[in-house]
Amino acid sequence: ETGVTQTPRHLVMGMTNKKSLKCEQHLGHNAMYWYKQSAKKPLELMFVYNFKEQTENNSVPSRFSPECPNSSHLFLHLHTLQPEDSALYLCASSQEWDGPGSLHFGNGTRLTVT
Amino acid sequence: QKEVEQDPGPLSVPEGAIVSLNCTYSNSAFQYFMWYRQYSRKGPELLMYTYSSGNKEDGRFTAQVDKSSKYISLFIRDSQPSDSATYLCAGLTGGGNKLTFGTGTQLKVEL
Repeated sequence: ETGVTQTPRHLVMGMTNKKSLKCEQHLGHNAMYWYKQSAKKPLELMFVYNFKEQTENNSVPSRFSPECPNSSHLFLHLHTLQPEDSALYLCASSQEWDGPGSLHFGNGTRLTVT
Repeated sequence: QKEVEQDPGPLSVPEGAIVSLNCTYSNSAFQYFMWYRQYSRKGPELLMYTYSSGNKEDGRFTAQVDKSSKYISLFIRDSQPSDSATYLCAGLTGGGNKLTFGTGTQLKVEL
């Protein structure tokens, strides 16, 4: 399989649940990202990892906890979420030689918090 | 004020029309400007990027940046129904890949 794969595609969870989103990239990239996409809002950068090290945390609430065990995998652990956290969560990867601003996105996980 | 402003649309045009999609931005430090296309239920994909002011052409697509007026445009010639998607503009300062996106403009090209 090629590109960036995200699972699950859809997730419905209650406010007291704990769940995880998974992202896997097969592009050999060394940087991975989590973005949040809400209706009528710009894409919001949440976290950035370079060579498995977190290099950016964009003031994200602690109920979102990222994990990057290796350069190919990225997780987003979710707990005690709020209804306003319902959104499309996109994973992306990049490599410097692809050019500036060249992110490869997965198709996202549509999260609904009830 | 958002750093990158974009009319959300939807913009509806007939097949074959020339489409103009526009963004304005406020961050003077942006050096690179990107256009991403996002089909329904898919992630965004990079269409093209431009460095500083000027034009860049790729097939039916032309990206234009005017840094003096902080205005970014994407023109689509001979638009096709397959061009129906949401188009996201983004700005980037010199280092890294921390893009600042607009909200996206939804485009519908009708037969």
